[in-house]
Amino acid sequence: KAGVTQTPRYLIKTRGQQVTLSCSPISGHRSVSWYQQTPGQGLQFLFEYFSETQRNKGNFPGRFSGRQFSNSRSEMNVSTLELGDSALYLCASSPRGGSYNEQFFGPGTRLTVL
Amino acid sequence: QKEVEQNSGPLSVPEGAIASLNCTYSDRGSQSFFWYRQYSGKSPELIMFIYSNGDKEDGRFTAQLNKASQYVSLLIRDSQPSDSATYLCAVRAGGSYIPTFGRGTSLIVHP
Repeated sequence: KAGVTQTPRYLIKTRGQQVTLSCSPISGHRSVSWYQQTPGQGLQFLFEYFSETQRNKGNFPGRFSGRQFSNSRSEMNVSTLELGDSALYLCASSPRGGSYNEQFFGPGTRLTVL
Repeated sequence: QKEVEQNSGPLSVPEGAIASLNCTYSDRGSQSFFWYRQYSGKSPELIMFIYSNGDKEDGRFTAQLNKASQYVSLLIRDSQPSDSATYLCAVRAGGSYIPTFGRGTSLIVHP
């Protein structure tokens, strides 16, 4: 089975711009989660989508949003970029989500905001 | 505030030794526990998960869970230089999907 894929792998944007990141989960997996990883804050949960619905949300401002399509592919959008948004954005897929389901991470998108 | 604590390290062990990585958590309602390995510049890779008190073994890896003391550990037997990475502990409360990650422990296995 192919793993989780994310595009693009690298992005450079300037403050004020917006960005859209894409994630394709493992075939058959219906839950997609997004994380932000920075040296200062570590790995932090953004949100989780299951069957095209946002099921869980972390503590991030409304500039961070996402959606999931009927084929389980997911996109994450960040509007009005700030310097502090520079991070590795990771997508993780899970068969059904839930407390006891393990997650598998994609390679990540490295976002740099100048 | 749910917290997951890990010693940042680095933990340095010689090749062939046992590496012991520890993780403590604050939420007594935590039900599922995960260990991830992350190489520099790469994404986290799931190594093991454990739900019940006691030990769970998978090859050279053993996860140990003690809910009464609120800690989970990862033992790596016969450590290899290729095990050099950051190890992340993740904890989920029962009924909650949102995991809390520790900041990770850097492991260095020297020949």
